[in-house]
Amino acid sequence: AQSVTQLDSQVPVFEEAPVELRCNYSSSVSVYLFWYVQYPNQGLQLLLKYLSGSTLVKGINGFEAEFNKSQTSFHLRKPSVHISDTAEYFCAVSDGGGGNKLTFGTGTQLKVEL
Amino acid sequence: NAGVTQTPKFQVLKTGQSMTLQCAQDMNHEYMSWYRQDPGMGLRLIHYSVGAGITDQGEVPNGYNVSRSTTEDFPLRLLSAAPSQTSVYFCASRGWAGGQETQYFGPGTRLLVL
Repeated sequence: AQSVTQLDSQVPVFEEAPVELRCNYSSSVSVYLFWYVQYPNQGLQLLLKYLSGSTLVKGINGFEAEFNKSQTSFHLRKPSVHISDTAEYFCAVSDGGGGNKLTFGTGTQLKVEL
Repeated sequence: NAGVTQTPKFQVLKTGQSMTLQCAQDMNHEYMSWYRQDPGMGLRLIHYSVGAGITDQGEVPNGYNVSRSTTEDFPLRLLSAAPSQTSVYFCASRGWAGGQETQYFGPGTRLLVL
């Protein structure tokens, strides 16, 4: 069985400040990890994914995430946020197929303030 | 490409009514899935399909049926709606394009069961 824990339900941050959204996972097999963003009243959009190789993954909109196997973490970071980054962010894990049968975390609401 | 489309966008049902949520994709993706999103619970997998004629259960399949007669369409049926099925439903497809794995979510169907 696999699971995902997003430790922060809400993260407020000022514009142009750095941000880190935390994600920890558990799985008994090799994992594939994903971050999705959901803007209000919209579907989910893939930000980035880790399948194998380099543990630092760069995604869209200036986001990046680092896979840390020893700490079973996949934290999402952005060095300088913008108002338009206000959204809900979901971490997800898959145990095979690079995205089949995703297990999602409960989400982190990022609120960027002026 | 229209991507993943879902209809209707909103629906109100009475307990015991049945309905079908439609999902279509025009990207020739083999893998499609249905999720429901509830506050504080993230997204949970209902059913998925790895190709036409092949479906399987996800994490929360009770009360829902699916079929996959074509690659393009993956409808979700509620046989006898219950208030516990009030949720936002997302359809997703995943496939290979240009050497990259791509994942797309539809815009969602908001369902209220009275």
